[in-house]
Amino acid sequence: DQQVKQNSPSLSVQEGRISILNCDYTNSMFDYFLWYKKYPAEGPTFLISISSIKDKNEDGRFTVFLNKSAKHLSLHIVPSQPGDSAVYFCAASGSNFGNEKLTFGTGTRLTIIP
Amino acid sequence: DVKVTQSSRYLVKRTGEKVFLECVQDMDHENMFWYRQDPGLGLRLIYFSYDVKMKEKGDIPEGYSVSREKKERFSLILESASTNQTSMYLCASSQPGLTGYEQYFGPGTRLTVT
Repeated sequence: DQQVKQNSPSLSVQEGRISILNCDYTNSMFDYFLWYKKYPAEGPTFLISISSIKDKNEDGRFTVFLNKSAKHLSLHIVPSQPGDSAVYFCAASGSNFGNEKLTFGTGTRLTIIP
Repeated sequence: DVKVTQSSRYLVKRTGEKVFLECVQDMDHENMFWYRQDPGLGLRLIYFSYDVKMKEKGDIPEGYSVSREKKERFSLILESASTNQTSMYLCASSQPGLTGYEQYFGPGTRLTVT
């Protein structure tokens, strides 16, 4: 049972435009969400996170939006740059899960076209 | 900066061999995790540990065991390697209350079982 879903396996975006990556979750007990970025042959690196008490968190070119009623979050990258080409994973957890375990989505491969 | 290192970047083993994957973190984190990453399946949690000599099963523990004798070191053991264990293995660490839910990952070990 996939509790965190990224329904788009891949996305291509022109350099300079906005990239929007989507993530849906099914478990209403999740209350903290993270985005990770992964280059080939490297481990994932933390990008940005959001708590369920907020609906938006911004860090430079990256903004995460959370819609709790729809159980949906999205990552916006503006403007997109060639170095943003990577696989992006969303992850979820919560205070009820103990030991801060994360449940990851299946990933979206983002390709920025110069 | 947190550093998580893994003993090998690439490993080739034969079916039936016992395989040890080592992970070391240098930030005195209490939590350590082992994941495997497969195309279309994202990151799946195999085992985690929240203290020395403590371990808990993740979502896919079958065919694996772990050992944590020292705080900084977390080992993943494949008792009898099989071809369906060919995968990218990722180790991560986190510190409750300090890093929140954010986990720091090593570079990964690409294991091929023939």
